[in-house]
Parts: sequence; C-alpha cells; structure tokens
Amino acid sequence: GAGVSQSPSNKVTEKGKDVELRCDPISGHTALYWYRQRLGQGLEFLIYFQGNSAPDKSGLPSDRFSAERTGESVSTLTIQRTQQEDSAVYLCASSSTGANAQFFGPGTRLTVL
Amino acid sequence: RKEVEQDPGPFNVPEGATVAFNCTYSNSASQSFFWYRQDCRKEPKLLMSVYSSGNEDGRFTAQLNRASQYISLLIRDSKLSDSATYLCVVNPAGRRALTFGSGTRLQVQP
Repeated sequence: GAGVSQSPSNKVTEKGKDVELRCDPISGHTALYWYRQRLGQGLEFLIYFQGNSAPDKSGLPSDRFSAERTGESVSTLTIQRTQQEDSAVYLCASSSTGANAQFFGPGTRLTVL
Repeated sequence: RKEVEQDPGPFNVPEGATVAFNCTYSNSASQSFFWYRQDCRKEPKLLMSVYSSGNEDGRFTAQLNRASQYISLLIRDSKLSDSATYLCVVNPAGRRALTFGSGTRLQVQP
C-alpha cells in the first residue's frame, strides 16, 4: 500500500516568509508525528497527533511553529516568519498507535535564504 | 541525562566483519523498542522491533536487557550496503510518542 507522503519535497523561501508543509500519513494510522533534522544532526521531535488532537506539542521550538491535522488524515506544519535557523529537513511519520513503530515520509527539505 | 543514548561512532569495519551496537535508555518502565537505519540524506526506515526474548532477522540480531536497560544490535557478515546510521528507538512509559537516539554511524569498507 501507499506509504507516508510529504509535499513539497523541496522548498526554498526568503527569510520572513511563511511556509506550509504537508503530510499524508498511511491510511488508517491514527498517530502522526513531525520531526526536524538539521544537516548532520539527529531527529528533533516537534509534535505528535493522536487523531486530530495533539497531546504532545513539547517539541515546537517557538510560537512561529504550528501544526494541525484534519479528518484524522492530512497534517500541515506551518512556520511563520521563517528564519535561517529553520533550514532543515522536516520529516513526518505515522503509526497505527502511539507505541508502535513509525513509518516515515521522504521529508521536505526547507532552505531559508 | 538523555532518554536514549548511543555511541555516535563511526564504526569502521571491513566487509564480512561482525559489529555490535549498544544503546541505553533511562526509563525503566519503557515498553517498546526498535532499531531504525537511516541512509545519508534519506528518511529513517524501520529495521526491526526488539522483543524481550531477543529476535533475529537474517544477519541482524537484536537483544533487550531490561535489568541493565540496554538494547543491542548485532550485524553479522557486514555488507557495504549496511553502511548507514543506526537509530535506537524507545517508547518511554507515560509518553505516547517514541524517543529516538542520535544514532550510531557504521561504515563498512571493502
């Protein structure tokens, strides 16, 4: 079946602009996660959704970052007033429950000029 | 102390070698354990789950030691294609999301 998909695959933006990143999880997966990975670094947890609610937003680095999920499916991560330090690969993952193995999408590579 | 700790490596081994990685976790009530691999500039991919009794998948063997709170991954007969970063992943009790270690880099050389 189809895996996790993300769009766009690459995004180049200017400092100060807003960006929206999209994630389509595996069908039927109730748990969805967003991570950030800077070049040469490990995964940085951002936010976790169970259904449409977010019980764990502890990883969002600032109030410029927000995410929503609708229909227990698609999720959008929004970064407002982007900064150069936001440049990274943003990875989305889904799982059938919060404790189960996660399956990752290919990521969105964000470059803020 | 980090929730999940791994030696970052790199581990440089010749083809055909056996190599083992360990990972320690801090929450003794953790329930689920996994190993992922991540190739350069790619997303992490599930390698295998880790069960209390230990489990094997071809050349890969995973072990869990709850008393000492560590997980291990053994790779036998290393191939060039095994070169990647190996991520140790734990589900800490009381949280509903998995916690990823920073990874151990393996470079298999011809």
